[in-house]
Amino acid sequence: ETGVTQTPRHLVMGMTNKKSLKCEQHLGHNAMYWYKQSAKKPLELMFVYNFKEQTENNSVPSRFSPECPNSSHLFLHLHTLQPEDSALYLCASSQDHKANTGELFFGEGSRLTVL
Amino acid sequence: GQSLEQPSEVTAVEGAIVQINCTYQTSGFYGLSWYQQHDGGAPTFLSYNALDGLEETGRFSSFLSRSDSYGYLLLQELQMKDSASYFCAVRERDSNYQLIWGAGTKLIIKP
Repeated sequence: ETGVTQTPRHLVMGMTNKKSLKCEQHLGHNAMYWYKQSAKKPLELMFVYNFKEQTENNSVPSRFSPECPNSSHLFLHLHTLQPEDSALYLCASSQDHKANTGELFFGEGSRLTVL
Repeated sequence: GQSLEQPSEVTAVEGAIVQINCTYQTSGFYGLSWYQQHDGGAPTFLSYNALDGLEETGRFSSFLSRSDSYGYLLLQELQMKDSASYFCAVRERDSNYQLIWGAGTKLIIKP
């Protein structure tokens, strides 16, 4: 059983579709993160949750809507996306939201293509 | 503003030693992390330096100089499986202790 599991691994959607990405962590961590990874660019932090409460929202457009029902599960709801939103979306977890050891545990990501 | 710079690509030979540099400009520096990511895989944590000096973990070592705002990842006895992208990331106070990431260095290893 891997530490952080993301589904689906690949997703293709039209600009008018609504879809969701799911992340589950089995590490007993208290913090969970959504990152966007585009080719040859730094990882972009989108959202941070600590004990189910959102602690960071890095000016992410409202077409991305996170949900954290408990410390083990994190969702990213997608609607009316743009082609430039095509990227790899990575979920991560850590013991606390300030990552005192600089260590995050990542899932393998959901590769999103917006047509 | 915040920025991290690392080379976009480095090429080395199997069995050799390679150093990947990272320079940073941040506010309220707390520590420097290194991550490895294979194509199609998850970024995986390699090391974290909060204090100056060299930290060694097997074939990999990481160095930090806070006064120079500089660090590096040293990979020894390179193996083909080390072909991956390597990211440096700074933990800083002014970003609420979140990691600020470099754009990554693609390490190509030739036999």
